[in-house]
Amino acid sequence: DTGVSQDPRHKITKRGQNVTFRCDPISEHNRLYWYRQTLGQGPEFLTYFQNEAQLEKSRLLSDRFSAERPKGSFSTLEIQRTEQGDSAMYLCASSDRGEAFFGQGTRLTVV
Amino acid sequence: GNSVTQMEGPVTLSEEAFLTINCTYTATGYPSLFWYVQYPGEGLQLLLKATKADDKGSNKGFEATYRKETTSFHLEKGSVQVSDSAVYFCALTWTGTASKLTFGTGTRLQVTL
Repeated sequence: DTGVSQDPRHKITKRGQNVTFRCDPISEHNRLYWYRQTLGQGPEFLTYFQNEAQLEKSRLLSDRFSAERPKGSFSTLEIQRTEQGDSAMYLCASSDRGEAFFGQGTRLTVV
Repeated sequence: GNSVTQMEGPVTLSEEAFLTINCTYTATGYPSLFWYVQYPGEGLQLLLKATKADDKGSNKGFEATYRKETTSFHLEKGSVQVSDSAVYFCALTWTGTASKLTFGTGTRLQVTL
């Protein structure tokens, strides 16, 4: 297992477009997290899955954001009608109740 | 609410200098405390952790002690190397939150020869 994988690494999109990111966690891990990191800040929690169930969503996650983990394995994060304020690094992490392992992130730029 | 405060960077040190990066927290209950490191172009990696008061986490020459009386978890290293140049994040989790992390803003460390 090579760790947590995120795709794409970089995404540039025009304002108003929809984007979707994918995260492949470490295979045995039942917990999966999404975080957002803006320049000069620490990562901020967005949402959390245990297996396929989305158990918690941050108030940061507006109605334009949706996340899924349909079979309890990979997860997708979709942003509809992107805005310039959505520009950030989107990080995925997975764990099995212990240490969280992070992917390298998807950097989104909305122009 | 629960939060983490770190000293602002960047911190610039010469190789072999002593490093301290301050971290204090506000939390209800008894959080677990972590230091994560982000090297250029890489993802966040767990550096060390402590799960209860007076625990000392250590790894790669770095240390941090969980001080409940001062609500602190300062990161220290006796002799830094150029390869330690990175951004360091202090973070916490607390009971009942499924291990979601609350991070500080990060401190950039630059070590020069």
